[in-house]
Amino acid sequence: QLQLQESGPGLVKPSETLSLTCVVSGGSISSSSYYWGWIRQPPGKGLEWIGIVFYTGSTDYSPSLKSRLTISVDTSKNHFSLKLSSVTAADTAVYYCARLVLPGTTFDSWGQGALVTVSS
Amino acid sequence: QTVVTQEPSFSVSPGGTVTLTCGLRSGSVSTGYYPSWYQQTPGQAPRILIYSTSSRSSGVPDRFSGSILGNKAALTITGAQAHDESDYYCLLYMGRGVRVFGGGTKLTVL
Repeated sequence: QLQLQESGPGLVKPSETLSLTCVVSGGSISSSSYYWGWIRQPPGKGLEWIGIVFYTGSTDYSPSLKSRLTISVDTSKNHFSLKLSSVTAADTAVYYCARLVLPGTTFDSWGQGALVTVSS
Repeated sequence: QTVVTQEPSFSVSPGGTVTLTCGLRSGSVSTGYYPSWYQQTPGQAPRILIYSTSSRSSGVPDRFSGSILGNKAALTITGAQAHDESDYYCLLYMGRGVRVFGGGTKLTVL
């Protein structure tokens, strides 16, 4: 059974870079049928689509985050990563990683989520 | 500026039927937007209910159905149960690789 697990620092200082990794187990990240994505949810608010990566390294990003965002994949470690630079308190959220079934909008497997707080 | 619009809240009686909608601030939702619907309970990751407008995900009861109604995507719950009380989000494919979630609907069953 496919499992996704987010990991990374729970506290990041303003202006620094938020970094998270999603380890995929129970399946290969190197599949042509899926993208791998990040979604976030600020406390008490709705879901926000951040971006996705294909196993080849091809990416699609949210236009509102694109200038600060890097999503990458490491097929040898079966994981993918998120880096968001120049963070502010507005980036405080639960960050989820998930598998996207092509084509379209089907995120069919999700990690449990990781809370990242931006604070000095 | 919410590009993808959903009702902020909705209430339904147990056993009743409710239809939640997912629209665009400008334009109409069609199947080409691949609308999907997610259910989220507090403290949990979202769960996919409906994908590609009307396909039900594995294990989802047939009380949940998806469609296009007029110019919006719609999620209909028939025979609502207490444990259907959740937040519901739609997700649309906007083109050029970009997906956007709606603001979510908080459904109360009472």
